[in-house]
Amino acid sequence: QLQLQESGPGLVKPSETLSLTCTVSGGSISSTTYYWVWIRQPPGKGLEWIGSVYYSGSTYYNPSLKSRVTISIDMSKNQFFLKMTSVTAADTALYYCARVYKRTDYLDYWGQGTLVTVSS
Amino acid sequence: QSALTQPRSVSGSPGQSVTISCTGTSSDVGYHNYVSWYQQHPGKAPKLIIYDVTTRPSGVPDRFSGSKSGNTASLTISGLQAEDEADYYCCSYAGDYTVVFGGGTKLTVL
Repeated sequence: QLQLQESGPGLVKPSETLSLTCTVSGGSISSTTYYWVWIRQPPGKGLEWIGSVYYSGSTYYNPSLKSRVTISIDMSKNQFFLKMTSVTAADTALYYCARVYKRTDYLDYWGQGTLVTVSS
Repeated sequence: QSALTQPRSVSGSPGQSVTISCTGTSSDVGYHNYVSWYQQHPGKAPKLIIYDVTTRPSGVPDRFSGSKSGNTASLTISGLQAEDEADYYCCSYAGDYTVVFGGGTKLTVL
């Protein structure tokens, strides 16, 4: 059974960089059938796609966040990563990583989510 | 990339049916049959309940069904049960390796 687990600091200061890791177990992150995404959900609000990474390292970002976001992948560790620079209180959210079936773009496995609070 | 449009809330009594709409554009919902739906209970991660517009993953009750017409997709829940009370999100292909979500709909079972 595939599992995804987010990890990283739960508290980040304004203007600093948010860094999260998603560790995938029970399956290979190098599969050509899937790609991997970061999703966030501010408290009490809806889901927002942040960006995607394919095993090849190709990345795609939400235009509204593109200038501040970098997503990368490490196949040797079966992990992918999120970095978001210059964070503000508006970036406070539950951050999820998930797997997407490449052919028809549905998210079949999700991590449990990790809450990141931006505060001094 | 604009969020897909969903009603903020819907409600129904046990045993009734409700339908949640999800409106996008010809670049996302209307482009392919790549619409999926997710159920999210409080404090939980979203769970896939419909993909490819109409397909239910194994284990999802057949009370849940999906459809699409033009740029609008719909999720229908028939025979409402108390445990169906949750938030529901639609999601669509929006370009290579990109997806877009709806704003979410809160379902209340009266």
